[in-house]
Order: sequence, then C-alpha cells, then structure tokens
Amino acid sequence: GDSVTQMEGPVTLSEEAFLTINCTYTATGYPSLFWYVQYPGEGLQLLLKATKADDKGSNKGFEATYRKETTSFHLEKGSVQVSDSAVYFCALTDYSSASKIIFGSGTRLSIRP
Amino acid sequence: DVKVTQSSRYLVKRTGEKVFLECVQDMDHENMFWYRQDPGLGLRLIYFSYDVKMKEKGDIPEGYSVSREKKERFSLILESASTNQTSMYLCASSTGTGRTYEQYFGPGTRLTVT
Repeated sequence: GDSVTQMEGPVTLSEEAFLTINCTYTATGYPSLFWYVQYPGEGLQLLLKATKADDKGSNKGFEATYRKETTSFHLEKGSVQVSDSAVYFCALTDYSSASKIIFGSGTRLSIRP
Repeated sequence: DVKVTQSSRYLVKRTGEKVFLECVQDMDHENMFWYRQDPGLGLRLIYFSYDVKMKEKGDIPEGYSVSREKKERFSLILESASTNQTSMYLCASSTGTGRTYEQYFGPGTRLTVT
C-alpha cells in the first residue's frame, strides 16, 4: 500500500542554520503531497502542499518540491528560527480513498538560540 | 479560516467509564476524521466519516465507536475506557470536493484513563 518515510529525529540545529528534512513516498497513481507542522501542545497545521509533479509548495520560508522521478518531497528552509521548533509530518493522499491522508512518523526539530 | 474545535483539551477518566469526545467544524466539510497520536507511533486513524450518518473504520477501530448526526459534528465514543486508550486524540475535517483533500485539525484532547 501507499506509505511515507521521513527521516528520524530528533534534529537539533542552531538558529540561522539550513534545514532539510527528507521525505520519500511509495504511492499508486499521483497523490497530493503535504507537510504538516505540530507546535508543542497543539494540533497539526498544514504547512505547505503540492498536487502534481514538479510543483513547489512554499510557506513561512519553508519549501518542498514534488519530485516524481525520485518519489521525494524534502522540506527545506534557508535559515531556521527558534520558533520553528516543532514536529514536522510528511503526508500524502491515499489512492484507495482520496479523502484519507497517510502520515509519516514525524520528525522533531529543535532549534538552539 | 477553517476552525475545528474539540470539546476538551484535557480529560481524566476512570477505567470502565464511557467517554465522549466531541468535534465541531465550521466550514461545511463533508469529511471528518478521528486519530490518536502516541509517541513513536505517529498518527493512527481510528474512524472517519464522509457524510452524515456514514462512518468507515480506520486502522485501529477496536474499542471505539463514532456518531455523526449532523454534518458539523463528529463524536468519538469509548464505550468502556481502558488504560491503553490513554493518548492524544485529534479530530480533523476536509472538503469532499476538489483534489487536494488537505485536512484541518483541531487542537487535540489529551485523555488520561486511570
């Protein structure tokens, strides 16, 4: 079945460092891809999305490009801030039921001042 | 903005109690979902609903039931709470039209069963 694999955390970086969180997927068909973020004590928020190959999603300085040839959707940010400390989830729509989303296991990111 | 609200942020119940978790969305979304989130296990889908009075089992439905009598409200019921149901419960909703189907989440209910 469809699945998402993302890099395990925790990831700890210094403020202003470059961030990459890797995400690869296995899917039937052409899913939409998402990155969600969960700040401490809160629910998940949609960070960005991409609906077709070569689309780039972006928001709040974060970017991710839908790479069909490598089945990847890596999250990047050029200069992280302490406020970016959170858990990040990569996800895709489920081919068997387009209203369902399959989530990766999450990557905890901590930023040191 | 889409708003998904959950009835409680924190809840403490005793083993064997019947527990109701309520979720309301204000965007006329067709689809609603209940997940539980546990350390190391990510999000696991318990039940979802794509229409009023319709429900589908997710990956871990055992020990849970749901009710959707109105479009905006989706309830998760623990018929007889057990300690292994201590968890964070997240509700989400999404539109039934379009292609992207992104889900919008509530703040979560942290349930402790003692």
